Amino acid sequence: AQSVTQLGSHVSVSEGALVLLRCNYSSSVPPYLFWYVQYPNQGLQLLLKYTSAATLVKGINGFEAEFKKSETSFHLTKPSAHMSDAAEYFCAVTPKGYSTLTFGKGTMLLVSP
Amino acid sequence: DGGITQSPKYLFRKEGQNVTLSCEQNLNHDAMYWYRQDPGQGLRLIYYSQIVNDFQKGDIAEGYSVSREKKESFPLTVTSAQKNPTAFYLCASSPTSGDSYEQYFGPGTRLTVT
Repeated sequence: AQSVTQLGSHVSVSEGALVLLRCNYSSSVPPYLFWYVQYPNQGLQLLLKYTSAATLVKGINGFEAEFKKSETSFHLTKPSAHMSDAAEYFCAVTPKGYSTLTFGKGTMLLVSP
Repeated sequence: DGGITQSPKYLFRKEGQNVTLSCEQNLNHDAMYWYRQDPGQGLRLIYYSQIVNDFQKGDIAEGYSVSREKKESFPLTVTSAQKNPTAFYLCASSPTSGDSYEQYFGPGTRLTVT
């Protein structure tokens, strides 16, 4: 079975500061990993995904994530936060060969001026 | 434009009534999913379907039912047996060929039962 742990239900940063959202996973097989973003009362939008190619994955809006097998982590980063980045972020995992995703509980990113 | 539509955006019902949430996709995806979202709980899988006329229970299927009569449509019925139906419901779809397993999400339906 798979599981995802997102450390910190809320993360606060200042505009222009580094964004770091943490995700650790558990999977019995090499996983596929995803980061999604959700704005209030909207659906989820894919930011980026890891599918066993390059371990450093670049996504939309300047976000990137690095797959670290030894640490079972897939942390999301952005060098400089914008006010528009304020949203909830979800990490998700699926083992190869299956189509259902297991989501973490989400991290709300708050950006202050 | 290709995408997933969910209707209505907001839905209000009285306790004891069944209610059906609509989900339609024109992405030609084989697989469709229903998730429930509660504050601080992330997304939890209710039902999913990988092909027409077939579907499987997810982690929290009790009190819900689905049908998959057409590839484009995957309606969810919240029955009176669901003890806490008030939540935000998200529908998603994905291809089943290839190996990325990326899911595409609709805008959601917020259901309030009083």
